[in-house]
Amino acid sequence: KNEVEQSPQNLTAQEGEFITINCSYSVGISALHWLQQHPGGGIVSLFMLSSGKKKHGRLIATINIQEKHSSLHITASHPRDSAVYICAAYSGGGADGLTFGKGTHLIIQP
Amino acid sequence: DTGVSQDPRHKITKRGQNVTFRCDPISEHNRLYWYRQTLGQGPEFLTYFQNEAQLEKSRLLSDRFSAERPKGSFSTLEIQRTEQGDSAMYLCASSLVYFEGQGTYNEQFFGPGTRLTVL
Repeated sequence: KNEVEQSPQNLTAQEGEFITINCSYSVGISALHWLQQHPGGGIVSLFMLSSGKKKHGRLIATINIQEKHSSLHITASHPRDSAVYICAAYSGGGADGLTFGKGTHLIIQP
Repeated sequence: DTGVSQDPRHKITKRGQNVTFRCDPISEHNRLYWYRQTLGQGPEFLTYFQNEAQLEKSRLLSDRFSAERPKGSFSTLEIQRTEQGDSAMYLCASSLVYFEGQGTYNEQFFGPGTRLTVL
């Protein structure tokens, strides 16, 4: 079982819909990252959060440390939001690298 | 552009050959990470450096993999005697780590990756 689980694996929605991607983790963390990966491989950091909620434009990320759960929301989705969204946990110790989920492949249709 | 850069972006090689990839981090960042991503999977952690010191290498996939960061700036990842199973995207990330309150701040910024194809 992966230490970081994402759902859904694939999501297709219509332009304008409200999108939610979920992430659950079993490791202790000091921070959780949400990343965006476009075809061709480039990864962009969207959020890093350790508590509460962060908002940037149409993107909102929340985390519940007690429940070990985080969500990424996209409001008023647009075809340019189509990408793979990856959740990654940072434990802050041990091997120190990020532990990644497998990603959610999001397609927004016009 | 002051982001993380990687070179080459694509590499095609024959099985058994050695390959070396380079990563140039954001200049003020003290940590540098290497990850590997196979098709349809999330990246997996390989190794990382704090300045020039390699602090974790047990996750390197085999003794054919090695990494260096000789002057604490750019890093290289070498794969010797490549195998077809080494075909993947190799990602580099850098960060400026500092301690804030009771936590550690470590936001990683990723390069574009090097896509390796072993024939």
